[in-house]
Amino acid sequence: DAKTTQPPSMDCAEGRAANLPCNHSTISGNEYVYWYRQIHSQGPQYIIHGLKNNETNEMASLIITEDRKSSTLILPHATLRDTAVYYCIVRPREGAQKLVFGQGTRLTINP
Amino acid sequence: GAVVSQHPSWVICKSGTSVKIECRSLDFQATTMFWYRQFPKQSLMLMATSNEGSKATYEQGVEKDKFLINHASLTLSTLTVTSAHPEDSSFYICSAPDLGYEQYFGPGTRLTVT
Repeated sequence: DAKTTQPPSMDCAEGRAANLPCNHSTISGNEYVYWYRQIHSQGPQYIIHGLKNNETNEMASLIITEDRKSSTLILPHATLRDTAVYYCIVRPREGAQKLVFGQGTRLTINP
Repeated sequence: GAVVSQHPSWVICKSGTSVKIECRSLDFQATTMFWYRQFPKQSLMLMATSNEGSKATYEQGVEKDKFLINHASLTLSTLTVTSAHPEDSSFYICSAPDLGYEQYFGPGTRLTVT
C-alpha cells in the first residue's frame, strides 16, 4: 500500500502558484519524499525530491515540515501544460527500490 | 536526465495472440527494471521486477505464466503478454533506476486486445 495520502483533485488558475499537499505520517528516517507527475497517456516524469530540507529546482519547490510528516509541492507559476496527475512517493534513496504509487492528485490548471 | 524507451508505443492485437513489449535504457545500464500496468483513470500498479540474469519477481496476483519477462541484457527488458484477452488491454509502463538509484520511466505502451 502507498504510504502517502493526497487530495484526489485540485484546480488552479493559470499563472498562480499551485500548492499540492501530501501526508506521509509514517515516513521512516531513511526515506525521501519524491514527486512525480503524469501527463495524460505518458510515463511519469520526475519533478523533485527531498529528505528534510526544502528543495527547489527549475520545475518546482518542495516544502517538508519539520516533523517530516507532510510536504507541499509548489509550482510557482502554473501553466496549462502543468495539468497532470501528481504523485507523492516516499522511498529510501539507496537501492533500486520499486515505487508504490498512490492515487495522486489530479491537478487542473484553468485559463 | 537518462532516457528509457518503449516499443511499440501502441499495439492492437486479436484475442488469443501474444504481444511483446520492449523496454530499453538508452544511455545507462540497468540491472533492474520495473513493469507497471495502468487502467483508465487509475494509478500505476507494479506488476513485476525484472532482474538481469535471473528470474523476474512478480507482485501478488500477477500471473507469471501470462506475463513473461525476460531481462536479456543490461539495457533491455521485455514483457510478453501471452494469449492476450480484452481484459489485458491497458497502458504498460516500464521504469529503470540508474546507478544513482534515480528512476526513469518509459513513455508507455498502449495495448488494445480485440
